[in-house]
Amino acid sequence: QVQLQESGPGLVKPSQTLSLTCTVSNYSISSASHYWTWIRQPAGKGLEWIGRIYTTGSTNYNPSLESRVTISTDTSKNHFSLKLSSVTAADTAVYYCARGADFWSGNYYYAMDVWGQGTTVTVSS
Amino acid sequence: DVQVTQSPSSLSASVGDRVTITCRASQSIGRYLNWYQQKSGKAPKLLIYAASNLHSGAPSSFSGSGSGTNFTLTISSLQPEDFATYYCQQSYNAPRTFGQGTKIQIK
Repeated sequence: QVQLQESGPGLVKPSQTLSLTCTVSNYSISSASHYWTWIRQPAGKGLEWIGRIYTTGSTNYNPSLESRVTISTDTSKNHFSLKLSSVTAADTAVYYCARGADFWSGNYYYAMDVWGQGTTVTVSS
Repeated sequence: DVQVTQSPSSLSASVGDRVTITCRASQSIGRYLNWYQQKSGKAPKLLIYAASNLHSGAPSSFSGSGSGTNFTLTISSLQPEDFATYYCQQSYNAPRTFGQGTKIQIK
């Protein structure tokens, strides 16, 4: 079955750039119409949608983070990546990658059906 | 942004209880509403998409309803494995905002 696995530094210094990769197994990220998505969750808090990249390369970002976020894909490595610049302590969270899909129910409805296990990133000097 | 507000934020219930969680959107979003279950320390899992469609592999004890601005998630008979936090998410437009979560605890 499709599996997603996040990887990257667990500790990032303030003002630096957070960089994470999500490696997709048993599925080609370029083979069909899916959205490759990043979500984060501060400890003890709710989920925040960061953004997504479509198979075609088009992106959507959360306006609250848009000036600092870049999501990209590397089809040769079958992974997608998140870069978040100028981080502060407020960016400390568990970061999840997920696959988004359009489900048909008389119309197409987007939902995230496969998730990685999450990786904890702490912003601290 | 479309805001989604869940209620209650937490509840205590017993095995076998019928449980209902509500989600209200700040504007009409049709049926663009999903529900996820998250157990402690784990990633969320998709339960319901398009307001009322049970995702493959989700237990049939879960059901969703609603459209427009008001939505509900119902667990017909609470099982021990259902004690978790539940999130709604609107998929009407970006950013795909989540509700703040409803934690179901054992009474």
